[in-house]
Amino acid sequence: AQSVSQHNHHVILSEAASLELGCNYSYGGTVNLFWYVQYPGQHLQLLLKYFSGDPLVKGIKGFEAEFIKSKFSFNLRKPSVQWSDTAEYFCAVNAVRYGGSQGNLIFGKGTKLSVKP
Amino acid sequence: DTEVTQTPKHLVMGMTNKKSLKCEQHMGHRAMYWYKQKAKKPPELMFVYSYEKLSINESVPSRFSPECPNSSLLNLHLHALQPEDSALYLCASSHRSPYSGLAGGLADTQYFGPGTRLTVL
Repeated sequence: AQSVSQHNHHVILSEAASLELGCNYSYGGTVNLFWYVQYPGQHLQLLLKYFSGDPLVKGIKGFEAEFIKSKFSFNLRKPSVQWSDTAEYFCAVNAVRYGGSQGNLIFGKGTKLSVKP
Repeated sequence: DTEVTQTPKHLVMGMTNKKSLKCEQHMGHRAMYWYKQKAKKPPELMFVYSYEKLSINESVPSRFSPECPNSSLLNLHLHALQPEDSALYLCASSHRSPYSGLAGGLADTQYFGPGTRLTVL
């Protein structure tokens, strides 16, 4: 069964600090990878996604993520965080299977990011 | 437009009530999803509709009854809920369905609605 691990439960940074949130998944086949963000009181929004091609993916608001297949990882990065980046960040994985079998989106437990002004 | 709308925003109901949650998208997406999200937890999949047919029921109790009247609408009918069912209920949609059978299990981006905050007294 697939699973997604986000190692950091709560990250606290000061503005302008660099950010890296870890995400590892367990599945031996082809995957699609996502980072979603949930700002306080708001709904889940897609930050970025990886389906194929260049493993370094750029998303909205200056975020990027790198897919490292050998490490089963898809870490999220941002060079300089802002107070407005305070939110919950979810990594999600979808196994790509063919022939009509399941492709559920599996979420990690989330990482809460608090940015101090 | 990547908007999924949900009504109502908030719902308070008693354990004997019957209510419905509604979800709508006009992006031409053929897969729609219901998720349940408890506080400080990730979303958990409940149901998936693919081409207006129920594809996945993740062992959800029968007090939750989904319905897909057409390709743009998804309802979740609620009856005899328990206080532990209080949560944020999220709807999502995606262009392609991972359960299409003929086309294969191709995954796609899911776009989420704002959710309905449900409180069961």
